[in-house]
Amino acid sequence: SQKIEQNSEALNIQEGKTATLTCNYTNYSPAYLQWYRQDPGRGPVFLLLIRENEKEKRKERLKVTFDTTLKQSLFHITASQPADSATYLCALVGGGGNKLTFGTGTQLKVEL
Amino acid sequence: DVKVTQSSRYLVKRTGEKVFLECVQDMDHENMFWYRQDPGLGLRLIYFSYDVKMKEKGDIPEGYSVSREKKERFSLILESASTNQTSMYLCASYSPGAGVDEQFFGPGTRLTVL
Repeated sequence: SQKIEQNSEALNIQEGKTATLTCNYTNYSPAYLQWYRQDPGRGPVFLLLIRENEKEKRKERLKVTFDTTLKQSLFHITASQPADSATYLCALVGGGGNKLTFGTGTQLKVEL
Repeated sequence: DVKVTQSSRYLVKRTGEKVFLECVQDMDHENMFWYRQDPGLGLRLIYFSYDVKMKEKGDIPEGYSVSREKKERFSLILESASTNQTSMYLCASYSPGAGVDEQFFGPGTRLTVL
């Protein structure tokens, strides 16, 4: 069956370090993958999209990689700040173009 | 500034009640979605619609129905609310072919069924 896995344990890092979050998937051939940020009590907010023919995408302090052989995406936040503390969700297109399937998310806590 | 709004942030209903959750978007998006989010289970798709009066079942449609009479409005209906429908409900919209394919989410409705 199709599965998207994100580390369910919270990731705690120190301010200024690079945070790396992982998204693994099985039984998908996604055309693209997206990352969202979600703060408590709010809806997810789109961050980045990476297509299957792209290896890496950057936006300011964010970087996403996509390895379709390993079936994995890595999401990096460099020079992390306490304001980056949130839950980060990966999502894949699957089952017919318009539908996204989300992972369960990883909570990131950036400490001073 | 693009916007997806949901009719209530918090809602408390009793078992057996009929519940309406409303979602409105002002971006002229064709596609709209209803998700529920539960701890440890993530976001799960209930129903989606790619045009007025069109609807498609998502992964967990049982116990729910939807209505899309106008392009900007997508309603989720719990015909007879049950306690296992206590959850955070999120509406989203997007426009295919706009180049980015991001979904825009509303703030969510936290529904408690007693």
